[in-house]
Amino acid sequence: KAGVTQTPRYLIKTRGQQVTLSCSPISGHRSVSWYQQTPGQGLQFLFEYFSETQRNKGNFPGRFSGRQFSNSRSEMNVSTLELGDSALYLCASSLDRAGRNIQYFGAGTRLSVL
Amino acid sequence: KQEVTQIPAALSVPEGENLVLNCSFTDSAIYNLQWFRQDPGKGLTSLLLIQSSQREQTSGRLNASLDKSSGRSTLYIAASQPGDSATYLCATGEGGSEKLVFGKGTKLTVNP
Repeated sequence: KAGVTQTPRYLIKTRGQQVTLSCSPISGHRSVSWYQQTPGQGLQFLFEYFSETQRNKGNFPGRFSGRQFSNSRSEMNVSTLELGDSALYLCASSLDRAGRNIQYFGAGTRLSVL
Repeated sequence: KQEVTQIPAALSVPEGENLVLNCSFTDSAIYNLQWFRQDPGKGLTSLLLIQSSQREQTSGRLNASLDKSSGRSTLYIAASQPGDSATYLCATGEGGSEKLVFGKGTKLTVNP
């Protein structure tokens, strides 16, 4: 059974650009969560999607958005990139309710903003 | 607001030693607590999930305990090996929601 797949693995962008990250969950999983990991703040919750609906959202500005498709694949978009957006972005999938089931993480997308 | 703290931030031990990693949380209204392992530059690997109704969960050389009333969990690693070197993170929910809150992790180094 394939794991959680995140693409691309690495991205380099400049300030002001926008970026889209993709996450394919484990087959059969309906919940997808996104996290930002930085050395200073650690892992911070961005949002969670279930059956194409955003169920929970963290404390990030509106420049961070996401969506989930009918096949459970999810995308995350960051507009008007800032230097502080440089981070490892991790996606996790779970069978049903993210907070009540084991979450399986992808390898992440490392975003560098220059 | 849930806050998760892990102590110590870093730990270096000789191979073969038994060790304990600590995790504390402020809001005891949780469904479960999860322990993860993260290797440098990689994603997270789930190690153990303890339901709020459980006291312990074991997997191989790993044993995790949960004391909801005191807001504490411990991860016990028996007979540590160099391959156990990684950062270990604990995470639990906030306000009964699906949002996971993570500790900053304990970076473990096991020396041969």
